[in-house]
Amino acid sequence: EAGVTQFPSHSVIEKGQTVTLRCDPISGHDNLYWYRRVMGKEIKFLLHFVKESKQDESGMPNNRFLAERTGGTYSTLKVQPAELEDSGVYFCASSLVMNTEAFFGQGTRLTVV
Amino acid sequence: RKEVEQDPGPFNVPEGATVAFNCTYSNSASQSFFWYRQDCRKEPKLLMSVYSSGNEDGRFTAQLNRASQYISLLIRDSKLSDSATYLCVVKAQGGSEKLVFGKGTKLTVNP
Repeated sequence: EAGVTQFPSHSVIEKGQTVTLRCDPISGHDNLYWYRRVMGKEIKFLLHFVKESKQDESGMPNNRFLAERTGGTYSTLKVQPAELEDSGVYFCASSLVMNTEAFFGQGTRLTVV
Repeated sequence: RKEVEQDPGPFNVPEGATVAFNCTYSNSASQSFFWYRQDCRKEPKLLMSVYSSGNEDGRFTAQLNRASQYISLLIRDSKLSDSATYLCVVKAQGGSEKLVFGKGTKLTVNP
């Protein structure tokens, strides 16, 4: 069975540009999460989808970040316009139902120059 | 104060050594506790959940002290393959699926 897949694995963009990250959760997993790790810091929660609904978006840093999960399958995280401090590794995770193990994807390494 | 604090590390130990990681958390309403393992440039993977009574999985033993808000992980007879970063992770109060991570402690097991 395929795990959580993320695309792209790496992205280098200029400040002010737009980047869209994609996450395909494990098939059948209703819960999808976005996390990120910026250099030298801990992994931090961004938001949580249950199917297509945003359950918790308390970790989204500002309105330059937009997450969607149309149809309740894959999710996208768009950063527009990107700033230097957005550089980091963006992880997606999914879990079958609440209170079950969350499986992480390998992450997208974003570098804003 | 950070929500989850870990030993800063790094730890360098010889094969066969016993190594202990410590972690404290600030939110007394936290409900669930975990140790994750992250290899270099890879995703975090669940190593084990931590229960109040303490639990063991082979060479790994996890302990939780709710009164002190303290979590530990003990690795016995360490192997080269145990080299990784160990992340202490806490889930907030009931109803939230948000995981709160510590910065992690890097372990290198040397031959």
